[in-house]
Amino acid sequence: GAGVSQTPSNKVTEKGKYVELRCDPISGHTALYWYRQSLGQGPEFLIYFQGTGAADDSGLPNDRFFAVRPEGSVSTLKIQRTERGDSAVYLCASSLTSSTGELFFGEGSRLTVL
Amino acid sequence: GDSVTQMEGPVTLSEEAFLTINCTYTATGYPSLFWYVQYPGEGLQLLLKATKADDKGSNKGFEATYRKETTSFHLEKGSVQVSDSAVYFCALETQGGSEKLVFGKGTKLTVNP
Repeated sequence: GAGVSQTPSNKVTEKGKYVELRCDPISGHTALYWYRQSLGQGPEFLIYFQGTGAADDSGLPNDRFFAVRPEGSVSTLKIQRTERGDSAVYLCASSLTSSTGELFFGEGSRLTVL
Repeated sequence: GDSVTQMEGPVTLSEEAFLTINCTYTATGYPSLFWYVQYPGEGLQLLLKATKADDKGSNKGFEATYRKETTSFHLEKGSVQVSDSAVYFCALETQGGSEKLVFGKGTKLTVNP
């Protein structure tokens, strides 16, 4: 596709369950970002990949959160033992490394933890 | 740490009114500054940017000038349209190589015909 694709668009789960959120970036974009947006807030940085490696994971809130990008394209954000406070919209963005600040965002995956 | 403060919303205007959304920032050094927009049902997209002091970013009739002395990047448009209804986010890029963006909380704009 032409844009960043995220699945699922909506996910409802119970507290304590494991969740995976998928991001398919724009073809050829080597940089990939995950952000989290809570209601009434701006997006908050979680993790940044350059190729296959996590170049900056300083935004991950705790060790329940983990992300991978094994082939340098699709990325998966994994959340273990979900808590109600994890409820938010998880945004993925990709960019060409030469484009300062121009991130291309997906529509997000809305996670609700009951 | 780096942060962005933007005008709280929501903002409601009539078509053809003048728009200002205030944005100020706190950062180490001289970051690049951005306005992103989120239209209903769509992902965030870049509206405009400025990479150094006194630069003016512009797009779709919107403008913002990078003011180092006041650490501000206010968004303006002379005559808004119904189609401008969206949520607007001010952001800065942290320095250090990861192109990490720090966003404000967003301002929801509704333009009525």
